Amino acid sequence: DGGITQSPKYLFRKEGQNVTLSCEQNLNHDAMYWYRQDPGQGLRLIYYSQIVNDFQKGDIAEGYSVSREKKESFPLTVTSAQKNPTAFYLCASSIDLSAGVNGYTFGSGTRLTVV
Amino acid sequence: DAKTTQPPSMDCAEGRAANLPCNHSTISGNEYVYWYRQIHSQGPQYIIHGLKNNETNEMASLIITEDRKSSTLILPHATLRDTAVYYCIVINDYKLSFGAGTTVTVRA
Repeated sequence: DGGITQSPKYLFRKEGQNVTLSCEQNLNHDAMYWYRQDPGQGLRLIYYSQIVNDFQKGDIAEGYSVSREKKESFPLTVTSAQKNPTAFYLCASSIDLSAGVNGYTFGSGTRLTVV
Repeated sequence: DAKTTQPPSMDCAEGRAANLPCNHSTISGNEYVYWYRQIHSQGPQYIIHGLKNNETNEMASLIITEDRKSSTLILPHATLRDTAVYYCIVINDYKLSFGAGTTVTVRA
């Protein structure tokens, strides 16, 4: 079955460390996205990518970095510059950026906790 | 961007229909209305979407008013597994925006 796989499901990080969250999709989607969700709140866009080797900042990109070397993969690095990284991170994809017609598919999320 | 307004919570009896309202008064002509739901600590799950016409699938029905300023998601026979946070969102292009949604609790 096609879908999006995020790993790990739970991740613990010490303060000052960088960590990388994995997101892989086999849907042949061009566009991929990273969102952050805090308790009781909606989703906020961190980064998005329309195509391989291209990505753009979303609303809350500070302290995060991404790469898109392959169509299937869009890893997110949470750097030590992110002051409040504890959150639930969701990866999503769509056929292309005209997601209005086709919608989004989401991964199951990674819960990051700073200890 | 068009924004949506949903009640923060609602209860529903198991086996009864659940009607979830959503206001999107600033929606523009080419923006779709989507509904997703999120069970605790999982990724959002697609339910249904529409532009102008009412839509129905195996999960739910979507009723969109003629002026498109509001819509209602109908779960025809709610089960305990339908307990989740339901999000009504409008999508024009890539920039998806989720509000806090409606927490639906289905009670036996």
